[in-house]
Amino acid sequence: EPEVTQTPSHQVTQMGQEVILRCVPISNHLYFYWYRQILGQKVEFLVSFYNNEISEKSEIFDDQFSVERPDGSNFTLKIRSTKLEDSAMYFCASIWAQGLNTEAFFGQGTRLTVV
Amino acid sequence: AQSVAQPEDQVNVAEGNPLTVKCTYSVSGNPYLFWYVQYPNRGLQFLLKYITGDNLVKGSYGFEAEFNKSQTSFHLKKPSALVSDSALYFCAVRDWMDSSYKLIFGSGTRLLVRP
Repeated sequence: EPEVTQTPSHQVTQMGQEVILRCVPISNHLYFYWYRQILGQKVEFLVSFYNNEISEKSEIFDDQFSVERPDGSNFTLKIRSTKLEDSAMYFCASIWAQGLNTEAFFGQGTRLTVV
Repeated sequence: AQSVAQPEDQVNVAEGNPLTVKCTYSVSGNPYLFWYVQYPNRGLQFLLKYITGDNLVKGSYGFEAEFNKSQTSFHLKKPSALVSDSALYFCAVRDWMDSSYKLIFGSGTRLLVRP
């Protein structure tokens, strides 16, 4: 069964450093997302991406964040200068078509720890 | 704006007993509702969805959910709980007017099934 894959599974970084979280969505999917979950809490929407551009972003997704689909398969989330409060589990998700009725497929997540 | 409420942080049930995990929602138009499950240190796994049609929808692992439009609820149920059902459960809604097709999640309910 196709799946969304994320790397690394765990990343530890120092405050102020840049990190790039990587995702490979399911190959025929069209919409891509990043969500964040602070330890054991609510899953929060960060950004949606369609047709090589951001379609929507939340208030969490400030100028420190950026997304890219550099090569038609990978989908990356970059945090330019990490803060302690960026420590969270980051989930990538994708859906295959324009459709309100399609469920999102989630990756296993990247646990980001900022020290 | 759309929102989801899961009023119980934790639900405790004995193995073999029926379980219910509650969810209520608020959207501007027709809701598209989803349940996801998260096992420890894992990603979000799709369980079931309501789009239209029968108010009782069946999903994976014997779970079902009942859509109630008048009460704006979408409670998750299972007739006979298993210890292996112990996990974190998230209800999510997609608004039919949202062209980014993002999901808005509830705060999650931890289900603990005791032997």
